[in-house]
Amino acid sequence: GAVVSQHPSWVICKSGTSVKIECRSLDFQATTMFWYRQFPKQSLMLMATSNEGSKATYEQGVEKDKFLINHASLTLSTLTVTSAHPEDSSFYICSAGGPRNYGYTFGSGTRLTVV
Amino acid sequence: QKEVEQNSGPLSVPEGAIASLNCTYSDRGSQSFFWYRQYSGKSPELIMSIYSNGDKEDGRFTAQLNKASQYVSLLIRDSQPSDSATYLCAVTNPAGNMLTFGGGTRLMVKP
Repeated sequence: GAVVSQHPSWVICKSGTSVKIECRSLDFQATTMFWYRQFPKQSLMLMATSNEGSKATYEQGVEKDKFLINHASLTLSTLTVTSAHPEDSSFYICSAGGPRNYGYTFGSGTRLTVV
Repeated sequence: QKEVEQNSGPLSVPEGAIASLNCTYSDRGSQSFFWYRQYSGKSPELIMSIYSNGDKEDGRFTAQLNKASQYVSLLIRDSQPSDSATYLCAVTNPAGNMLTFGGGTRLMVKP
């Protein structure tokens, strides 16, 4: 149990465009979803926490208008990187948590390259 | 700022040896502790969780927790080259609804 599906696995986009990443909990209801970013050879950095039906809570330094998070249902959260720039190139990973899951199930990650 | 600290390594051990990975945390209210393994370019994979003081064994892995010392460790017995990865320690906040990760320790198991 506790399967989280994330896609796309990788995406290349032009600078200035927007990219949407989806994270789905397949076999449980995810009341909370976490979005992380990881640059090469660095640890995971929490970007934001989203609770179903309410606005996401962003970590300090993360631009909420640039990284739009939607968590409209108990099984789906999306992260949209708006007006992407090369410095946004990174590995983005979601994690879903439910009543018995403290956010320890990760999606497979999305490698974003902005050219 | 609540922190989780790990030695970045690399920790190099010969095949068949015991690898010992350590982690300290600053929030005394933390309740749940996790060890993840992350291969390069991949998402973290949960390998152990521990919630109470003492040892917890699962196959070749043993997690050890000492809340008084705010210390959690992971032992890997009979280390294999396939164990070579970065090991991330993660700790929940007192409410149990958020994970904070350490920087990870890179483990290298040499044949």
